[in-house]
Amino acid sequence: DAGVTQSPTHLIKTRGQQVTLRCSPKSGHDTVSWYQQALGQGPQFIFQYYEEEERQRGNFPDRFSGHQFPNYSSELNVNALLLGDSALYLCASSLGRGGINQPQHFGDGTRLSIL
Amino acid sequence: AQSVTQPDIHITVSEGASLELRCNYSYGATPYLFWYVQSPGQGLQLLLKYFSGDTLVQGIKGFEAEFKRSQSSFNLRKPSVHWSDAAEYFCAVGAFGFQKLVFGTGTRLLVSP
Repeated sequence: DAGVTQSPTHLIKTRGQQVTLRCSPKSGHDTVSWYQQALGQGPQFIFQYYEEEERQRGNFPDRFSGHQFPNYSSELNVNALLLGDSALYLCASSLGRGGINQPQHFGDGTRLSIL
Repeated sequence: AQSVTQPDIHITVSEGASLELRCNYSYGATPYLFWYVQSPGQGLQLLLKYFSGDTLVQGIKGFEAEFKRSQSSFNLRKPSVHWSDAAEYFCAVGAFGFQKLVFGTGTRLLVSP
């Protein structure tokens, strides 16, 4: 049973560029959440997708956008990259109907470095 | 607004000794509390969770945590630490009806021989 998979593992970009990160949820899961984890910090919630719509959003600018596909996979897009966007980006999947009662399963993340 | 405080940035424990990692939360209603572990270069693994009922919850890898409403705490414990427990530990709080998790800044556990 495959868990949450994220691609790519590592990525290097320069300021001003755009990036797309991808996530495939655990089999049977329909909800995907994205988190940003800066070095030495805990993960911070970016947004959550359920039924192909953004259901919740954290305190992140509009440069961060996402998408969920009919197969429940998801993309995180970041435009106009800043040095401060350097972080580990984590994807988590869960079952949407259960709310917080359904534990979130995390992928290993994408390490994004901005030069 | 929800918030989580993990007051210890680093903790060093001898192998075989007991462990307690502290977590304090701030939330107006009944919290949903979690402990996750993160090994270097990896994602987060759920150790245990508290939703309601018995305030002492058991998790994987021999970990347990106790919810104390009066102290707004959810401390993680293990009676005997193994070298493989060296990792970063995160406490998180969630709100009923949502799936957003708010994490603390983490505690890095070092295990000495």
